[in-house]
Amino acid sequence: EDQVTQSPEALRLQEGESSSLNCSYTVSGLRGLFWYRQDPGKGPEFLFTLYSAGEEKEKERLKATLTKKESFLHITAPKPEDSATYLCAVQADNSGGSNYKLTFGKGTLLTVNP
Amino acid sequence: GAGVSQSPRYKVAKRGQDVALRCDPISGHVSLFWYQQALGQGPEFLTYFQNEAQLDKSGLPSDRFFAERPEGSVSTLKIQRTQQEDSAVYLCASSLTGNQPQHFGDGTRLSIL
Repeated sequence: EDQVTQSPEALRLQEGESSSLNCSYTVSGLRGLFWYRQDPGKGPEFLFTLYSAGEEKEKERLKATLTKKESFLHITAPKPEDSATYLCAVQADNSGGSNYKLTFGKGTLLTVNP
Repeated sequence: GAGVSQSPRYKVAKRGQDVALRCDPISGHVSLFWYQQALGQGPEFLTYFQNEAQLDKSGLPSDRFFAERPEGSVSTLKIQRTQQEDSAVYLCASSLTGNQPQHFGDGTRLSIL
């Protein structure tokens, strides 16, 4: 069974204080790992897809990296508007299958104080 | 609109009533997914459509849950004889093809009294 564990559950930072969020995963074969941002009362907003170990993607103050067991979301010099829940999800490679469902972690609630 | 649209945004129903939740995916997106999100949890998969074909419904909690996408665009998630444990946010997502990023609507918050 596919599993995703995110840590920490909550993280409080001062504006400008860089940090990283962790996503550990267990999957039979990885088709892709996805990072989403979710604001209160909204649906998840797509950030990145990573497909293979060693891959990195960047967008503004965010950088996502991937190894064979985990992914990190690095936040550089965060601002208060980066406050949100960050969700990690995996899509398994079910050879011969036709399911593209995502298995999500519980998320990390990030609060950035001014 | 450009994004995934869900309606209603909020639904309150009495235990035992039937409810229907609607999802309008992004135009041209072949794949459509339904997820259930409990408070403080990540979304959990319910069912998946490729065009009008329901290819996986393994995440549906019981036979009270039913989903359809008859013309390969709009989808409806129906819950019969609702129970309190059905209270959650129901999210719809669509993607161009199965392995492309899924784009989510803002969900329907369902409360069962």
